[in-house]
Amino acid sequence: KNEVEQSPQNLTAQEGEFITINCSYSVGISALHWLQQHPGGGIVSLFMLSSGKKKHGRLIATINIQEKHSSLHITASHPRDSAVYICAVWRGDSGGGADGLTFGKGTHLIIQP
Amino acid sequence: DADVTQTPRNRITKTGKRIMLECSQTKGHDRMYWYRQDPGLGLQLIYYSFDVKDINKGEISDGYSVSRQAQAKFSLSLESAIPNQTALYFCATSDFRGGTQYFGPGTRLTVL
Repeated sequence: KNEVEQSPQNLTAQEGEFITINCSYSVGISALHWLQQHPGGGIVSLFMLSSGKKKHGRLIATINIQEKHSSLHITASHPRDSAVYICAVWRGDSGGGADGLTFGKGTHLIIQP
Repeated sequence: DADVTQTPRNRITKTGKRIMLECSQTKGHDRMYWYRQDPGLGLQLIYYSFDVKDINKGEISDGYSVSRQAQAKFSLSLESAIPNQTALYFCATSDFRGGTQYFGPGTRLTVL
């Protein structure tokens, strides 16, 4: 079983819809990251969070440490939001001192006009 | 100019050839990483470095080596490329442990 699981794997929605992407993890973490991979391949960091909720424009990320679960929400979705959204965790000292992130497989989002 | 650059952006090579992928950054970060991405598998950590004297293996380091020539430069080598090393390779930097990572544009490597 992967340490980081995302759902759904693929999501197609209409412009304007409220989007939710889920991430569950099975290991202790110190921080969770959400990243966006554009169709051309480039990867951009959206959020880093260790508790609570963060908001940037139409994007909202939440995390529940006790339930080992995070969600990424997109309000008023737009075709330019079409991308792969990747959840990744940093295990910190519980990872045996190793650095680097452990990634989910990504959610492929398509927003249709 | 981009903060993290990778060269080459695309490379096709043959089995058994030695390949070097290069990464440079202007962000002034000490931490640098090499990841590979395979379709359906997500990104996996190959090597990481905290500074020029500190190199560490990641999850999938077999078949790869790295060199940290300077704070700004981190190279990944495939000593004898094999077809299952065909993948998209990303370099990334971070300014502190667990912090936001800044990715290069990626190198698409095909080993025939």
